[in-house]
Amino acid sequence: SAVISQKPSRDICQRGTSLTIQCQVDSQVTMMFWYRQQPGQSLTLIATANQGSEATYESGFVIDKFPISRPNLTFSTLTVSNMSPEDSSIYLCSVDPDRVNEQFFGPGTRLTVL
Amino acid sequence: EDQVTQSPEALRLQEGESSSLNCSYTVSGLRGLFWYRQDPGKGPEFLFTLYSAGEEKEKERLKATLTKKESFLHITAPKPEDSATYLCAVQANFGNEKLTFGTGTRLTIIP
Repeated sequence: SAVISQKPSRDICQRGTSLTIQCQVDSQVTMMFWYRQQPGQSLTLIATANQGSEATYESGFVIDKFPISRPNLTFSTLTVSNMSPEDSSIYLCSVDPDRVNEQFFGPGTRLTVL
Repeated sequence: EDQVTQSPEALRLQEGESSSLNCSYTVSGLRGLFWYRQDPGKGPEFLFTLYSAGEEKEKERLKATLTKKESFLHITAPKPEDSATYLCAVQANFGNEKLTFGTGTRLTIIP
């Protein structure tokens, strides 16, 4: 298993601004995943972040809007840029620390954009 | 495109009243089917991974089963603390380790 923390836990932001979300894991992991959970909808993968390489984005998500950093094997950040109310969502990171098809999720960051 | 459909959207049971949640899926080669539990304001908590039709896994009052088209999460004699949203997800054989989620079943157990 893995213990995952995210900062901030929640935030309220003005449209047009940016927010950076941090994800910290208690063990070294190869891949970290960033998901979005919009109200009433399913979790959707935004991108996969490998240490030392650029993140891989899913269809519908672009680097300019959701830049990701992965400076080491235990940490990643997701930035939500130029926010609009449609970006109001819960953002979650996840890892599969033992590569045995058990993805563990962080507690999430609840973002509200006014 | 991989798809996951969960039913019902919401389910209210009396304490001790057993039932099943359904997860229907289409995927281009199944690597694994996952069940998670999510409590309000928290991230999903991993429950099970199933890999092939006929496989079953159990944890306390929960049992997950898998066929080629769907999975069931059976809840036996539930307690109020089993109240949560249960999420189903699939992972395809090809590509990255992406999970495709359903929208979940919101389960309420009434004391």
